[in-house]
Parts: sequence; C-alpha cells; structure tokens
Amino acid sequence: DGGITQSPKYLFRKEGQNVTLSCEQNLNHDAMYWYRQDPGQGLRLIYYSQIVNDFQKGDIAEGYSVSREKKESFPLTVTSAQKNPTAFYLCASRAWDPDTQYFGPGTRLTVL
Amino acid sequence: SQKIEQNSEALNIQEGKTATLTCNYTNYSPAYLQWYRQDPGRGPVFLLLIRENEKEKRKERLKVTFDTTLKQSLFHITASQPADSATYLCAFSGGYNKLIFGAGTRLAVHP
Repeated sequence: DGGITQSPKYLFRKEGQNVTLSCEQNLNHDAMYWYRQDPGQGLRLIYYSQIVNDFQKGDIAEGYSVSREKKESFPLTVTSAQKNPTAFYLCASRAWDPDTQYFGPGTRLTVL
Repeated sequence: SQKIEQNSEALNIQEGKTATLTCNYTNYSPAYLQWYRQDPGRGPVFLLLIRENEKEKRKERLKVTFDTTLKQSLFHITASQPADSATYLCAFSGGYNKLIFGAGTRLAVHP
C-alpha cells in the first residue's frame, strides 16, 4: 500500500519528557509537513521540509524539533519546552499536480 | 494576516437533501482552494481542488464553486447520505510552501 504511516497512534508523555513521533511515506514526495490540530481550530503548521536535509519553521515551531535525513522519513520531537503539547498531530506529504496533501492517520499525544 | 473561515456550527440535514458548506477568506487572493474530508480521529482526505479561473468543479455528488469577488467557496453534497457525515475542511495555498486550513464544518446527515 502506498501512503503515509504515523506511529504510535496514541502516546502518553510525562511532564518534562521529550517524545518523538514517527512519520514515514512511500509516495516519493519531496515535501513533508507536520501539523497540530486542537478542538475547534484549523490545522496549524509546525514544521515543513521541501527536500532532504532541509526544513523550515512553520507558524508554531516553538518547543518542537524535526530532522529530514531521508526522503521517506520526517520525525517530530516534542520537547519539554512545549508548554501545551496535548493535541492531535498530523503528518502530510505533498504532491504537485494537482497540488494536494496526503495525510497520515495521526498521533494523539496526551501529557499526564 | 491571511485568514480562512468556515461555519463553526455543525450542519444537520436529512438524508437525500443537498448539504452546502461555506468557506470565506480574507487578506489574500489564492490561486486555488482545496476541500478535504476528515473523519473523527483520522487524517484529512483530499476531495477537490478548484482554481481561480474555474467557477465550478464537480466530482460525482460533490460540487465546489469559487467566487473570487465574494472571496468565497461553496461546497455542495447532493443526495446526501449518512456516510457523508464528517468534518469538511477548506484550505488555500498561503504561499509557495504551505496551505492555510480552516477549522472545518461538521456535517451530520440523519436518516
């Protein structure tokens, strides 16, 4: 199956811990994105990457970090500096013709 | 700043009727708009894209319009079914690298 996978589906974190969310795609897309979704709000962009070994901050990057060492993989680390990390996290990759984004199933992070 | 708004209240309709969802945008002139469907606890799924020079786009029971004068897109589902119940998101390109999403409108189709 082609697509985007995210793991884990549910993640629980204690205060002060860093956690890493996995995102893998086999669509051969260059661009990948991380979004955060909170109830009643639109998707907010955390980080994005246009090519391997390059990434840019989105609108709410504080408290998050990413890496893009391989085209297929774009992991997101939620650090202890993120004050309100409980949310639904979505990873996406982008096709260009037509311009669409393919989303993974999401990871729901809860801080205990 | 660029802003995109969708009706925050849920839309409840009877099966077989046409559902119409609204997406308004300000402070921008997007080259195109996109619509996505999102089921609870899952990622959005792309439905349709409409460009600024297209007034209307159709796909099976779905129809999207784009009015650049009103800065508005309408999303219609004809002959709606309970399986159409979901949250529908609109989005536009906020520049070369990213999309700006609305908060979505939840649609509930009742038998």
